[in-house]
Amino acid sequence: QVQLVESGGGVVQPGRSLRLSCAASGFTFSSHAMHWVRQAPGKGLEWVAVISFDGSNKYYADSVTGRFTISRDNSKNTLWLQMNSLRAEDTAVYYCARERWLQLVLGAFDIWGQGTMVTVSS
Amino acid sequence: DIVMTQSPDSLAVSLGERAIINCKSSQSVLYSSDNKDYLAWYQHKPGQPPKLLIFWASTRESGVPDRFSGSGSGTDFALTISSLQAEDVAVYYCQQYYSTPYTFGQGTKLEIK
Repeated sequence: QVQLVESGGGVVQPGRSLRLSCAASGFTFSSHAMHWVRQAPGKGLEWVAVISFDGSNKYYADSVTGRFTISRDNSKNTLWLQMNSLRAEDTAVYYCARERWLQLVLGAFDIWGQGTMVTVSS
Repeated sequence: DIVMTQSPDSLAVSLGERAIINCKSSQSVLYSSDNKDYLAWYQHKPGQPPKLLIFWASTRESGVPDRFSGSGSGTDFALTISSLQAEDVAVYYCQQYYSTPYTFGQGTKLEIK
């Protein structure tokens, strides 16, 4: 079945780095843009970044620009989020999510992973 | 950035009754070239990922019960649950995808009265 599985979360000190992965299965990964969305404890949803289906275009929220990098390998059906210079305010559950439409970046998310928790704390 | 504001923050409705959640955007999310509102609604239950309910402001995602409906255009939108079921208890979010950064409302917590 269509599935996204995140991994790589954990506890990290401020200023350090972490890389999240999202393994996709059950659909043609290379045909969909992919997003990262996060939810801080007790807070709402915040879109983080998107990468186009072919990896040629990337967009980021202002809060992570210059610190986070989204990437993908369509041959491995895998999405990543490299997070550098982590701050306490980056503490959240990070979800990967599929763009609903084929080969477009419109920004609606029809398939979500279960999420992976990132805690930034000394 | 487009700011999305939902009302109310929380809502308690009796089983079988109607629930209405409102969402207002700080600028229009109606794209003139295709006459579509770039507005989605999600349901988020504890311990689960969010679920897409509605896109283009009023189009139900496949498999979503028809008691869920979306309405509105421009800057004012609503999600209506026509007859509340126990399994509808969740936090509901509106989200604009008119422009990046894509932004969500703060969420509305729906409970059973």
